[in-house]
Amino acid sequence: QKEVEQDPGPLSVPEGAIVSLNCTYSNSAFQYFMWYRQYSRKGPELLMYTYSSGNKEDGRFTAQVDKSSKYISLFIRDSQPSDSATYLCAMRANNAGNMLTFGGGTRLMVKP
Amino acid sequence: NAGVTQTPKFQVLKTGQSMTLQCAQDMNHNSMYWYRQDPGMGLRLIYYSASEGTTDKGEVPNGYNVSRLNKREFSLRLESAAPSQTSVYFCASSEALEKLFFGSGTQLSVL
Repeated sequence: QKEVEQDPGPLSVPEGAIVSLNCTYSNSAFQYFMWYRQYSRKGPELLMYTYSSGNKEDGRFTAQVDKSSKYISLFIRDSQPSDSATYLCAMRANNAGNMLTFGGGTRLMVKP
Repeated sequence: NAGVTQTPKFQVLKTGQSMTLQCAQDMNHNSMYWYRQDPGMGLRLIYYSASEGTTDKGEVPNGYNVSRLNKREFSLRLESAAPSQTSVYFCASSEALEKLFFGSGTQLSVL
C-alpha cells in the first residue's frame, strides 16, 4: 500500500463548479502538506502549503488538513477551464530531511 | 525569467547506452533535486543536493549518478540505461523544501 493515495481520475466538471480533490495517507508523522498543479508536459508548480492541521485559503483555492483522519483536501471554487491539470499532493515529516512523499495525482478537466 | 532549465526535452536510448541530463537554475537556490515521474506512481526522489559540494541518495537512486557542478548546475547520469528507466525526469530547486521549483522535464525512452 502506498503511503499517499490519490484517485487518479479523470474528474470532469462543468465550468463554475466547486471541485474537491483529496488525498489519504498512512504516515502519522507527516506534518507538512502541499498541493502542486501540473499542466500537461510541464513541471509541477506549488499551489498551496499548510503546516499541521487546519484550513488555508488563497483566492479560489482552499486547502484543508484533517490529521485525525489522515485526509487532506483541496477545494477549487468557481472552477475555470484553465484549472484543467493534474493535481499532486505532497507531504513531509519533521524528521524526513529532504524527502517529500507525493501522491500519484488526480487529473481534473473543467469543461466550458 | 528562466527558473529551472533542463536539457534535453526528449531522448531515446538503446539499452546499455549512457547519457547525462543537464539542469541549471538561476534563482540562487542552495538545494537541487532529481525526480522521476511514472504513471500512477507520483514523483519519486532519485538524488538531491542540499548545497554545493554535497549529494545524497533519495528513494530510487540505483542506476543513477549525480554531479553538483556548482551552485547553479546539477546533472544526472545514466551509465547503462535500462528499459525500467523509461520515465519523465524532473529537476527541481528550492530554498525551503516545501516550495520546490520544477523544470519542464525530460521524457526518456529506453528501448
